[in-house]
Amino acid sequence: ELKVEQNPLFLSMQEGKNYTIYCNYSTTSDRLYWYRQDPGKSLESLFVLLSNGAVKQEGRLMASLDTKARLSTLHITAAVHDLSATYFCAVDGTQGGSEKLVFGKGTKLTVNP
Amino acid sequence: NAGVTQTPKFQVLKTGQSMTLQCAQDMNHEYMSWYRQDPGMGLRLIHYSVGAGITDQGEVPNGYNVSRSTTEDFPLRLLSAAPSQTSVYFCASSYDDRGQPQHFGDGTRLSIL
Repeated sequence: ELKVEQNPLFLSMQEGKNYTIYCNYSTTSDRLYWYRQDPGKSLESLFVLLSNGAVKQEGRLMASLDTKARLSTLHITAAVHDLSATYFCAVDGTQGGSEKLVFGKGTKLTVNP
Repeated sequence: NAGVTQTPKFQVLKTGQSMTLQCAQDMNHEYMSWYRQDPGMGLRLIHYSVGAGITDQGEVPNGYNVSRSTTEDFPLRLLSAAPSQTSVYFCASSYDDRGQPQHFGDGTRLSIL
């Protein structure tokens, strides 16, 4: 059974600082997704990582995937208040599609002025 | 282009009542899924479908039924509502099995009294 663990679950940081969110998963998969959720809102896709060593960057966020270590990281550079949200990683449990995702519990990020 | 549309947005039910949560997408996506989101639990997959006429169970299917008679629609039925089904329900769709991210609806906030 695929299990996905994120840490930390809560992260409070100051503007301008850097930090990394970790996503570990328990069984082989080469498809990993990062989503963002604002309070009371839906989920927005941030990154799709499809192979070992994949790295994607958008603005102050950079995601990477190490399939051998079963680990993905979401790195935040020079945080700003607008990045405050909950971030989820999700892993494809089917080895072939994105319809059966297993989500981590999410990391609630608060960026303070 | 409306994306994924969920109705209703809010609903209060009494224990034992039944209801259907509607989900429709206009992106011609083959894959559709239902998740529930509970505080501190992330998203958990209830049921999913890889195409019209094909459905399968996810992690937490008990108490829910689905059907997929058309590509566009994927309704979720609560057979006999229980307080444990109080949650936020999200419908999602994706195009294919090549690692396309899922697109999420705005959610249905359901309370069972």
